[in-house]
Amino acid sequence: GAVVSQHPSWVICKSGTSVKIECRSLDFQATTMFWYRQFPKQSLMLMATSNEGSKATYEQGVEKDKFLINHASLTLSTLTVTSAHPEDSSFYICSARGSWGGGTGELFFGEGSRLTVL
Amino acid sequence: GEDVEQSLFLSVREGDSSVINCTYTDSSSTYLYWYKQEPGAGLQLLTYIFSNMDMKQDQRLTVLLNKKDKHLSLRIADTQTGDSAIYFCAESISSASKIIFGSGTRLSIRP
Repeated sequence: GAVVSQHPSWVICKSGTSVKIECRSLDFQATTMFWYRQFPKQSLMLMATSNEGSKATYEQGVEKDKFLINHASLTLSTLTVTSAHPEDSSFYICSARGSWGGGTGELFFGEGSRLTVL
Repeated sequence: GEDVEQSLFLSVREGDSSVINCTYTDSSSTYLYWYKQEPGAGLQLLTYIFSNMDMKQDQRLTVLLNKKDKHLSLRIADTQTGDSAIYFCAESISSASKIIFGSGTRLSIRP
């Protein structure tokens, strides 16, 4: 099946620094990638939709200057948490949809990246 | 706006059936999914159903859809310890649209 890889799996950083998380589709081309944030009580919140070669579409309430998303190629999207603060500590999960179109619209998920901001 | 709701916890005895329920608000939802998340891992698609279907069965899994009430359920027959996970209900209006997830139901299995 389609594989999505996220890196790093976990990261600890100091408050005020920026952190970049990568999401790669390993064996397929992903025209669309989605970034989710999972809160401690498990709910999964969609942050933004990322389309290759265009600007990301952010959900209401998500600061686009805070969470920079770049989808430079059909196999790579990055999420940069800028000037991270402790409240940004969370589990960030990316997902990708294949470019083959149609079908079920299934998303393939990365393993997630746990960010801890001290 | 879109909203998907499900209960947070479910505990069942090993060997019994588990039924996880979900309600959604968007009447345009066309694709309805069940994803499974095991501890410390990403989500994996378990099964899905189109809105023009009432039921879908796949081995131990049965999905029931009541489109009128916007209610979706997942039944796991003969629940095993390996079924312990968080189960997310999700919906999308098309195969190219964003997918909105519920809060997840944590299924625990007791001996």
